[in-house]
Amino acid sequence: DAGVIQSPRHEVTEMGQEVTLRCKPISGHNSLFWYRQTMMRGLELLIYFNNNVPIDDSGMPEDRFSAKMPNASFSTLKIQPSEPRDSAVYFCASSLALPSRGNTIYFGEGSWLTVV
Amino acid sequence: AQSVAQPEDQVNVAEGNPLTVKCTYSVSGNPYLFWYVQYPNRGLQFLLKYITGDNLVKGSYGFEAEFNKSQTSFHLKKPSALVSDSALYFCAVRDPDGGSQGNLIFGKGTKLSVKP
Repeated sequence: DAGVIQSPRHEVTEMGQEVTLRCKPISGHNSLFWYRQTMMRGLELLIYFNNNVPIDDSGMPEDRFSAKMPNASFSTLKIQPSEPRDSAVYFCASSLALPSRGNTIYFGEGSWLTVV
Repeated sequence: AQSVAQPEDQVNVAEGNPLTVKCTYSVSGNPYLFWYVQYPNRGLQFLLKYITGDNLVKGSYGFEAEFNKSQTSFHLKKPSALVSDSALYFCAVRDPDGGSQGNLIFGKGTKLSVKP
């Protein structure tokens, strides 16, 4: 079975450029999560959606970050303009309904972003 | 507020010896607990979880974990370590009564190094 699919796997971009990360959740999962991983801060939840609706975006660092989920099989995380401190691994994850019922969250392989 | 702690940044074990990776948690109610493993340059992979029932949970790759309510711990164990078990291990907790839907809190991770 296909897992969570993310693209691009690696991206190097210049400061000020727009970055768009893409995610396809596991088919049938209706909760989707975006996490960021850095050495300094570990794993941080940026935003999550349930049935395509953003539930909690309190982890989004600032207005330069935005996320959308136009349908059940696709989500984007956009950074505009990008800055060097945005360099991190960005993970998309999905689960069958909310983890409040103990459902497991499954992660993609990550998008490794470097902003120079 | 819910929290999870992994007190060891790194655990070193000789191949064939038993291993333990420690995790303690703090929640107001009964917790949902998870372990994930991250191999270099990969996403997080689900190992096992405790929701309810038997305190000893068995998971993938021969790993198991024991839920101890009195000690608020959920240590990950394996009877005989393999070099291929070397990776970063994350403990995560979710308080089903915590009110914040879907918010899984991750520990900072423990690097497991298994030497031949």
